[in-house]
Amino acid sequence: AQSVAQPEDQVNVAEGNPLTVKCTYSVSGNPYLFWYVQYPNRGLQFLLKYITGDNLVKGSYGFEAEFNKSQTSFHLKKPSALVSDSALYFCAVISRRDYKLSFGAGTTVTVRA
Amino acid sequence: GAGVSQSPSNKVTEKGKDVELRCDPISGHTALYWYRQSLGQGLEFLIYFQGNSAPDKSGLPSDRFSAERTGGSVSTLTIQRTQQEDSAVYLCASSPHRDGSEPQHFGDGTRLSIL
Repeated sequence: AQSVAQPEDQVNVAEGNPLTVKCTYSVSGNPYLFWYVQYPNRGLQFLLKYITGDNLVKGSYGFEAEFNKSQTSFHLKKPSALVSDSALYFCAVISRRDYKLSFGAGTTVTVRA
Repeated sequence: GAGVSQSPSNKVTEKGKDVELRCDPISGHTALYWYRQSLGQGLEFLIYFQGNSAPDKSGLPSDRFSAERTGGSVSTLTIQRTQQEDSAVYLCASSPHRDGSEPQHFGDGTRLSIL
């Protein structure tokens, strides 16, 4: 069975500073990895994905994530955070064996002006 | 284009009543998922439909929960004899196919409150 860990419930940064949201995973075989963002009273919005190829993937709104197979991590990063990035972020992994998507518990990001 | 649509957006009902939640997926998406999101928690998988295949019901928490998908499009999640612990946001998602490489597209959810 696969699982996803987001070790930080909350991340607080100042606007303009780098933002990192951590994610580690456990899955049999090669994974597909995703990041989603959720704003209040809304569904999840897709940010980026890793399927294969380059370990550094770029996504929406200036976000990027680096796939590290040896550390089984897929941390989300943004070089310069905006107040509007304040939201709930979910990491997700899908096993290519049963194609079932598993989500982390989520990390609340607060960017202060 | 149109995204995933869910109705109602909010539902308040009394304990013991039955509720039906509706999901209209993106046209052409063959895969449809239901999730439950409790306050302050992550997403809990409930059920998955793929084309004409038998649904994956492995996430349904009890036999009070059921879902159907008519004509490979609209889906209805039914909760019978609701309990207070059923209070949550129910999210529906769809994707083009089930190899997992395409992201899921989510609706805004139905916020269910059981009094």
